[in-house]
Amino acid sequence: SQQGEEDPQALSIQEGENATMNCSYKTSINNLQWYRQNSGRGLVHLILIRSNEREKHSGRLRVTLDTSKKSSSLLITASRAADTASYFCATVETGANSKLTFGKGITLSVRP
Amino acid sequence: EPEVTQTPSHQVTQMGQEVILRCVPISNHLYFYWYRQILGQKVEFLVSFYNNEISEKSEIFDDQFSVERPDGSNFTLKIRSTKLEDSAMYFCASTAGTGGEKLFFGSGTQLSVL
Repeated sequence: SQQGEEDPQALSIQEGENATMNCSYKTSINNLQWYRQNSGRGLVHLILIRSNEREKHSGRLRVTLDTSKKSSSLLITASRAADTASYFCATVETGANSKLTFGKGITLSVRP
Repeated sequence: EPEVTQTPSHQVTQMGQEVILRCVPISNHLYFYWYRQILGQKVEFLVSFYNNEISEKSEIFDDQFSVERPDGSNFTLKIRSTKLEDSAMYFCASTAGTGGEKLFFGSGTQLSVL
């Protein structure tokens, strides 16, 4: 496996439902970030959680981090059709100056 | 809101030709990055740049690649002799804080090598 593997690869839900996406990584990290990418567009930063944090909230987003399991989850509550996008987790490894390493991403489809 | 701008949005070139992809990062940002994404695949780190020199680079960033910040505002990626496998979406990003913080991405340049 590789640093930053998201699970599932694709997720389809009904508008109003919650979407949970998971990310696992291999090495010790400084922080973990989630990004969204709409089709053919650049990545948009959603939320950053540091290695000494366990949970963060931002609007309808909730991210958790379990460093003992080297995993994170992103929960989007009350999903909307506009949440349809690809979601990526990215990690900054301990000792890395500046590099973010991205996973392959999760394709989320929210049906109206 | 300030944004990272990239030009051109699409670039078509012949194999073996040189291309320069251009980026204007957000003005007070200090770290600059190039990433690429082959269609349907992961976003791959190429290089980070700080204080007018390369901070980190990946195995992909070989001698065919170079970066430059020629005038304090532009940040360019040059591919000296393009290969078919260089076809990808290339993203520029920048960040204000220390490296590894929230990145602001441009909309990308789709490079097609024929």
